[in-house]
Amino acid sequence: GDSVTQMEGPVTLSEEAFLTINCTYTATGYPSLFWYVQYPGEGLQLLLKATKADDKGSNKGFEATYRKETTSFHLEKGSVQVSDSAVYFCALIPRGGSEKLVFGKGTKLTVNP
Amino acid sequence: DAGVIQSPRHEVTEMGQEVTLRCKPISGHNSLFWYRQTMMRGLELLIYFNNNVPIDDSGMPEDRFSAKMPNASFSTLKIQPSEPRDSAVYFCASNLAGGYTDTQYFGPGTRLTVL
Repeated sequence: GDSVTQMEGPVTLSEEAFLTINCTYTATGYPSLFWYVQYPGEGLQLLLKATKADDKGSNKGFEATYRKETTSFHLEKGSVQVSDSAVYFCALIPRGGSEKLVFGKGTKLTVNP
Repeated sequence: DAGVIQSPRHEVTEMGQEVTLRCKPISGHNSLFWYRQTMMRGLELLIYFNNNVPIDDSGMPEDRFSAKMPNASFSTLKIQPSEPRDSAVYFCASNLAGGYTDTQYFGPGTRLTVL
Protein backbone atom coordinates (compact mmCIF):
# COMPACT_ATOMS: atom_id res chain seq x y z
CA GLY A 1 0.00 0.00 0.00
CA ASP A 2 0.85 3.67 -0.07
CA SER A 3 3.26 4.83 2.61
CA VAL A 4 5.62 7.61 3.63
CA THR A 5 8.86 7.20 5.53
CA GLN A 6 10.57 10.19 7.05
CA MET A 7 13.64 10.50 9.20
CA GLU A 8 13.13 9.93 12.86
CA GLY A 9 13.59 12.81 15.17
CA PRO A 10 14.00 14.68 17.21
CA VAL A 11 16.31 17.02 15.34
CA THR A 12 18.03 19.78 17.29
CA LEU A 13 19.84 22.58 15.49
CA SER A 14 21.31 25.94 16.28
CA GLU A 15 19.86 29.05 14.72
CA GLU A 16 21.09 29.67 11.15
CA ALA A 17 22.04 26.02 10.65
CA PHE A 18 21.11 24.12 7.49
CA LEU A 19 18.13 21.78 7.73
CA THR A 20 17.37 18.60 5.84
CA ILE A 21 14.52 16.27 6.73
CA ASN A 22 14.46 13.18 4.54
CA CYS A 23 11.24 11.78 3.15
CA THR A 24 10.71 8.83 0.82
CA TYR A 25 7.47 7.35 -0.35
CA THR A 26 5.88 4.24 -1.80
CA ALA A 27 2.89 4.68 -4.03
CA THR A 28 1.34 3.41 -7.21
CA GLY A 29 1.87 5.90 -10.00
CA TYR A 30 2.79 9.48 -9.25
CA PRO A 31 1.15 10.88 -6.14
CA SER A 32 1.00 14.49 -5.01
CA LEU A 33 3.48 15.22 -2.23
CA PHE A 34 3.11 17.59 0.70
CA TRP A 35 4.95 18.91 3.71
CA TYR A 36 2.78 20.01 6.61
CA VAL A 37 3.98 21.74 9.78
CA GLN A 38 2.41 21.53 13.22
CA TYR A 39 3.34 24.17 15.77
CA PRO A 40 2.82 23.32 19.44
CA GLY A 41 -0.85 23.14 20.35
CA GLU A 42 -2.04 23.87 16.83
CA GLY A 43 -3.42 22.04 13.84
CA LEU A 44 -1.48 21.21 10.71
CA GLN A 45 -0.64 23.86 8.16
CA LEU A 46 0.45 23.23 4.61
CA LEU A 47 4.07 24.27 4.20
CA LEU A 48 4.57 23.34 0.55
CA LYS A 49 3.53 20.84 -2.07
CA ALA A 50 4.47 19.39 -5.46
CA THR A 51 2.07 17.60 -7.74
CA LYS A 52 4.32 16.20 -10.45
CA ALA A 53 7.84 14.93 -10.96
CA ASP A 54 10.65 17.50 -10.82
CA ASP A 55 8.36 20.15 -9.37
CA LYS A 56 9.88 22.18 -6.56
CA GLY A 57 7.65 23.39 -3.77
CA SER A 58 8.82 26.36 -1.72
CA ASN A 59 7.53 28.54 1.09
CA LYS A 60 9.02 30.57 3.95
CA GLY A 61 12.54 29.61 2.90
CA PHE A 62 11.75 25.90 2.85
CA GLU A 63 12.11 23.88 -0.35
CA ALA A 64 11.47 20.32 -1.48
CA THR A 65 11.84 18.76 -4.93
CA TYR A 66 9.72 15.87 -6.20
CA ARG A 67 12.21 13.20 -7.28
CA LYS A 68 10.50 10.25 -8.94
CA GLU A 69 13.80 8.43 -9.60
CA THR A 70 14.51 8.19 -5.90
CA THR A 71 10.85 8.45 -4.76
CA SER A 72 11.89 11.24 -2.42
CA PHE A 73 10.70 14.66 -1.30
CA HIS A 74 13.33 15.91 1.14
CA LEU A 75 12.67 19.16 2.99
CA GLU A 76 15.48 21.73 3.16
CA LYS A 77 16.07 25.18 4.57
CA GLY A 78 19.28 27.07 4.36
CA SER A 79 19.11 28.92 7.66
CA VAL A 80 16.65 27.89 10.35
CA GLN A 81 15.19 30.19 12.97
CA VAL A 82 13.91 29.55 16.48
CA SER A 83 10.40 30.12 15.13
CA ASP A 84 10.80 27.07 12.86
CA SER A 85 10.64 24.77 15.88
CA ALA A 86 7.72 22.47 15.16
CA VAL A 87 6.81 18.98 13.97
CA TYR A 88 7.10 18.45 10.22
CA PHE A 89 5.03 15.85 8.38
CA CYS A 90 5.66 14.52 4.91
CA ALA A 91 2.51 13.24 3.21
CA LEU A 92 1.13 12.03 -0.09
CA ILE A 93 -2.20 11.72 -1.84
CA PRO A 94 -2.27 8.87 -4.34
CA ARG A 95 -3.26 9.61 -7.91
CA GLY A 96 -6.72 8.25 -8.55
CA GLY A 97 -9.01 6.69 -6.00
CA SER A 98 -9.19 7.99 -2.47
CA GLU A 99 -8.26 11.59 -1.65
CA LYS A 100 -6.85 10.67 1.72
CA LEU A 101 -3.57 12.07 2.91
CA VAL A 102 -1.09 9.38 3.92
CA PHE A 103 1.29 10.82 6.51
CA GLY A 104 4.75 10.00 7.69
CA LYS A 105 5.25 9.79 11.44
CA GLY A 106 6.54 13.33 11.75
CA THR A 107 9.90 14.83 12.66
CA LYS A 108 10.20 17.15 15.61
CA LEU A 109 12.57 20.04 15.03
CA THR A 110 13.94 22.19 17.83
CA VAL A 111 16.01 25.23 16.96
CA ASN A 112 18.06 26.77 19.74
CA PRO A 113 19.18 30.42 19.78
CA ASP B 1 -11.55 34.23 6.24
CA ALA B 2 -12.49 31.83 8.99
CA GLY B 3 -10.63 28.58 8.81
CA VAL B 4 -11.93 25.18 9.78
CA ILE B 5 -13.65 25.42 13.14
CA GLN B 6 -13.73 22.56 15.61
CA SER B 7 -15.44 22.23 18.95
CA PRO B 8 -14.81 21.55 21.70
CA ARG B 9 -11.06 22.13 21.78
CA HIS B 10 -10.67 19.88 24.78
CA GLU B 11 -12.94 17.13 26.05
CA VAL B 12 -12.47 14.98 29.12
CA THR B 13 -14.97 12.21 29.69
CA GLU B 14 -15.30 8.93 31.45
CA MET B 15 -15.25 5.54 29.85
CA GLY B 16 -18.64 4.53 28.53
CA GLN B 17 -19.87 8.04 27.88
CA GLU B 18 -20.92 9.35 24.50
CA VAL B 19 -18.66 11.93 22.91
CA THR B 20 -19.58 14.21 20.02
CA LEU B 21 -16.99 16.24 18.16
CA ARG B 22 -18.05 18.99 15.80
CA CYS B 23 -16.58 20.55 12.71
CA LYS B 24 -17.46 23.47 10.48
CA PRO B 25 -15.50 23.38 7.21
CA ILE B 26 -14.36 26.42 5.27
CA SER B 27 -17.31 27.90 3.42
CA GLY B 28 -17.52 26.62 -0.14
CA HIS B 29 -15.31 23.61 0.41
CA ASN B 30 -16.69 20.38 -0.99
CA SER B 31 -14.77 17.71 0.89
CA LEU B 32 -14.40 17.14 4.62
CA PHE B 33 -11.99 14.80 6.36
CA TRP B 34 -11.71 13.47 9.92
CA TYR B 35 -8.22 12.44 11.13
CA ARG B 36 -7.00 11.04 14.42
CA GLN B 37 -3.53 11.67 15.83
CA THR B 38 -1.93 9.45 18.45
CA MET B 39 1.63 8.89 19.52
CA MET B 40 1.45 5.22 18.59
CA ARG B 41 -0.25 5.43 15.20
CA GLY B 42 0.52 8.96 14.08
CA LEU B 43 -2.03 10.68 11.85
CA GLU B 44 -4.64 8.49 10.26
CA LEU B 45 -7.73 9.22 8.21
CA LEU B 46 -10.96 8.03 9.75
CA ILE B 47 -13.51 9.08 7.14
CA TYR B 48 -14.07 11.62 4.44
CA PHE B 49 -17.09 13.16 2.76
CA ASN B 50 -17.54 14.72 -0.64
CA ASN B 51 -20.60 16.92 -1.16
CA ASN B 52 -21.90 15.63 2.19
CA VAL B 53 -21.72 11.99 1.12
CA PRO B 54 -19.34 9.58 2.90
CA ILE B 55 -16.81 8.35 0.36
CA ASP B 56 -14.26 6.39 2.34
CA ASP B 57 -14.88 5.22 5.89
CA SER B 58 -12.36 2.41 5.87
CA GLY B 59 -10.39 4.09 8.62
CA MET B 60 -13.22 4.14 11.13
CA PRO B 61 -11.93 1.84 13.83
CA GLU B 62 -15.14 0.11 14.83
CA ASP B 63 -18.87 0.44 15.19
CA ARG B 64 -18.50 2.68 18.21
CA PHE B 65 -17.47 5.44 15.82
CA SER B 66 -19.92 7.20 13.53
CA ALA B 67 -19.77 10.36 11.47
CA LYS B 68 -22.40 12.46 9.80
CA MET B 69 -22.51 15.47 7.56
CA PRO B 70 -26.11 16.70 7.44
CA ASN B 71 -25.21 19.77 5.38
CA ALA B 72 -22.27 21.46 3.72
CA SER B 73 -21.36 23.49 6.78
CA PHE B 74 -21.43 20.96 9.59
CA SER B 75 -20.13 17.52 10.49
CA THR B 76 -20.03 15.44 13.64
CA LEU B 77 -17.90 12.54 14.79
CA LYS B 78 -19.50 10.52 17.54
CA ILE B 79 -18.00 7.87 19.79
CA GLN B 80 -20.42 5.73 21.74
CA PRO B 81 -19.40 4.26 24.12
CA SER B 82 -16.01 5.86 24.55
CA GLU B 83 -12.97 3.93 25.75
CA PRO B 84 -9.59 5.07 27.12
CA ARG B 85 -7.88 3.95 23.89
CA ASP B 86 -9.91 6.57 22.02
CA SER B 87 -7.87 9.29 23.72
CA ALA B 88 -6.25 11.26 20.90
CA VAL B 89 -6.36 14.54 19.04
CA TYR B 90 -9.05 14.55 16.39
CA PHE B 91 -8.61 16.86 13.42
CA CYS B 92 -11.10 17.95 10.85
CA ALA B 93 -9.92 19.19 7.45
CA SER B 94 -11.60 20.46 4.30
CA ASN B 95 -10.68 21.21 0.73
CA LEU B 96 -12.23 23.07 -2.14
CA ALA B 97 -12.20 20.99 -5.25
CA GLY B 98 -11.13 17.59 -4.11
CA GLY B 99 -8.79 15.37 -5.97
CA TYR B 100 -5.25 14.39 -5.28
CA THR B 101 -3.64 17.77 -5.91
CA ASP B 102 -5.83 19.89 -3.70
CA THR B 103 -4.64 21.26 -0.37
CA GLN B 104 -6.46 20.17 2.74
CA TYR B 105 -6.93 22.83 5.42
CA PHE B 106 -6.90 21.60 8.99
CA GLY B 107 -8.75 22.79 12.05
CA PRO B 108 -7.05 23.25 15.43
CA GLY B 109 -8.13 19.82 16.64
CA THR B 110 -10.07 18.45 19.59
CA ARG B 111 -7.99 16.83 22.31
CA LEU B 112 -10.06 13.97 23.73
CA THR B 113 -9.18 12.30 27.00
CA VAL B 114 -11.21 9.28 28.09
CA LEU B 115 -10.63 8.30 31.69
